[in-house]
Amino acid sequence: GDSVTQMEGPVTLSEEAFLTINCTYTATGYPSLFWYVQYPGEGLQLLLKATKADDKGSNKGFEATYRKETTSFHLEKGSVQVSDSAVYFCALSHTGNQFYFGTGTSLTVIP
Amino acid sequence: GAVVSQHPSWVICKSGTSVKIECRSLDFQATTMFWYRQFPKQSLMLMATSNEGSKATYEQGVEKDKFLINHASLTLSTLTVTSAHPEDSSFYICSALKGGTEAFFGQGTRLTVV
Repeated sequence: GDSVTQMEGPVTLSEEAFLTINCTYTATGYPSLFWYVQYPGEGLQLLLKATKADDKGSNKGFEATYRKETTSFHLEKGSVQVSDSAVYFCALSHTGNQFYFGTGTSLTVIP
Repeated sequence: GAVVSQHPSWVICKSGTSVKIECRSLDFQATTMFWYRQFPKQSLMLMATSNEGSKATYEQGVEKDKFLINHASLTLSTLTVTSAHPEDSSFYICSALKGGTEAFFGQGTRLTVV
């Protein structure tokens, strides 16, 4: 069945460091891929998404490219800020409403 | 965006008691809502699909008599964990479907059964 494997955290970085959170998936067909972010006390928020191979999703300085050949959707940001501290979830969906999630990766950015 | 509010954010209950978790779409109507749970170090897993005015659809392995879902209005779905036990301790999160296509998530509920 469909599944998402996400790098385990927690991840601690200094401000302005480069961030990569790895995500790979297993799926039938051609799902859409997502990154969600959850800030403390808030709901999951859509960070970015890609709907087909080679698409790049981007938002707030974060990027991820849908790589069909490696079944990956790694999240990257060139220079993290303290305000990026949150839990990040990689997910896939065929319909856009039901999701398969990874375990989530907790990121803490220290000044 | 849209706002989905989940209440409570965290709850501690005694073994054998029941706990109700609410999921509300505050600024849109949602005929469909979803309930997920996450055990420590595991993925968020879909438990059930909640449809307004009809019975919920449960994923394989989820006990419908233990996890009662009621979606009585277009803005509210509730999940009741009946006769809770420590193994039910988990993070529960809901999502509501806006326009039938886009999902918005609540902030989640951390349930601890002692």
